[in-house]
Amino acid sequence: DQQVKQNSPSLSVQEGRISILNCDYTNSMFDYFLWYKKYPAEGPTFLISISSIKDKNEDGRFTVFLNKSAKHLSLHIVPSQPGDSAVYFCATTLRAGNQFYFGTGTSLTVIP
Amino acid sequence: EPEVTQTPSHQVTQMGQEVILRCVPISNHLYFYWYRQILGQKVEFLVSFYNNEISEKSEIFDDQFSVERPDGSNFTLKIRSTKLEDSAMYFCASSRTGSDNEKLFFGSGTQLSVL
Repeated sequence: DQQVKQNSPSLSVQEGRISILNCDYTNSMFDYFLWYKKYPAEGPTFLISISSIKDKNEDGRFTVFLNKSAKHLSLHIVPSQPGDSAVYFCATTLRAGNQFYFGTGTSLTVIP
Repeated sequence: EPEVTQTPSHQVTQMGQEVILRCVPISNHLYFYWYRQILGQKVEFLVSFYNNEISEKSEIFDDQFSVERPDGSNFTLKIRSTKLEDSAMYFCASSRTGSDNEKLFFGSGTQLSVL
């Protein structure tokens, strides 16, 4: 029962180019969406979020897009930097305070 | 920036033994969580805790698991009789309130190895 899917386990991008990470979800009742970044041997760290009332949220080099009709979420990183190399998880929740559902992660490698 | 701390970073135990994983959430946070990630798999929700009681738990969180907030700062996960399949990275997380725009702050995890 995968509520959240990240179909690309890995992605390689040249430094300076755009990285696009994708996420699909199944439940139209999900209300809040987040992206987390994880380095080896560390816990996930929050990156950016978006609520279901918006379709775009931008924070510096990071932009999250939400397409509710397609139940699709994407994260754009531009320009990509080698320090962005990490595993990226999308996550969502029905309502605040309840469990977050995570995708399986996409390992991003930014090549210098 | 305040952070969630977890101890130990690595725990090795024999099958059938009890383990307690410890977490110190961020001090003004009210919601506490345990998640785990089996190697190569997704991050899975175990349990959420608010106002000194479990608010939600997954089917993974069976009778072998329990959580406790024994004092004002610690939040623990106990596994009574560990199984091989309990081997995973266990993440504690906390969040400030149940309001919108909530985000979880995660600890760096405890790697549990059951032999």
